[in-house]
Amino acid sequence: QVQLVQSAAEVKKPGASVKVSCKTSGYTFTTYGVSWVRQAPGQGLEWMGWIRPYNGDTKYAQKFQGRVTMTTDTSTTTASMELRNLRSDDTAVYFCARAYVLRFPFDYWGQGTLVTVSS
Amino acid sequence: DIVMIQSPESLAVSLGERATINCKSNQSVLSTSNNKNYMGWYQQKPGHPPKLLIYWASLRDTGVPDRFSGSGSGTDFTLTISSLQAEDVAVYYCQQYYTTTWTFGQGTKVELK
Repeated sequence: QVQLVQSAAEVKKPGASVKVSCKTSGYTFTTYGVSWVRQAPGQGLEWMGWIRPYNGDTKYAQKFQGRVTMTTDTSTTTASMELRNLRSDDTAVYFCARAYVLRFPFDYWGQGTLVTVSS
Repeated sequence: DIVMIQSPESLAVSLGERATINCKSNQSVLSTSNNKNYMGWYQQKPGHPPKLLIYWASLRDTGVPDRFSGSGSGTDFTLTISSLQAEDVAVYYCQQYYTTTWTFGQGTKVELK
């Protein structure tokens, strides 16, 4: 069965970086893209970007351009998202989600990783 | 980016009654090349990730009960729960995937009356 399993919660100080991983299984990793979506406490869903494991192509939301990097490792079928220069308003649950290609819905989601930014 | 506005922000419905959630986009998400509406609906329960319910505006994902239905086209869409069950208490989000930057509505909280 398709599974996306994310790394554990993180606590970071303002200005630091965080890298969240998403280990996938149960499907051909290079066939589907992986998006990252975040959700601040009590708030809605915010799309951050997308990566195509087949060739590493990325598409980032303008809000995060220059501060986020998404990568994949096809040998371990793992996607990762690094967010730099963290601020307190980056405190959120970060989800990875599978989408076939751009312009497709997210059919499977990871369980979420809480990132807390606090001095 | 396409902006999605959901209404209402919350609603309370009795068990077995109908729940209706609306979603409006500020530009059409209907593709004239394939006549598909690039619209999805998700359900999120506390402490859980969202779950895809409806895609292409009206198709139920695998295993989704048939009391959930999606309708609409262009800029106006509706998610209907025909007979609310206790397990349907959740927040529901619409999402457009017409552009290469996905956007979500702000969410609608469905509670029991």
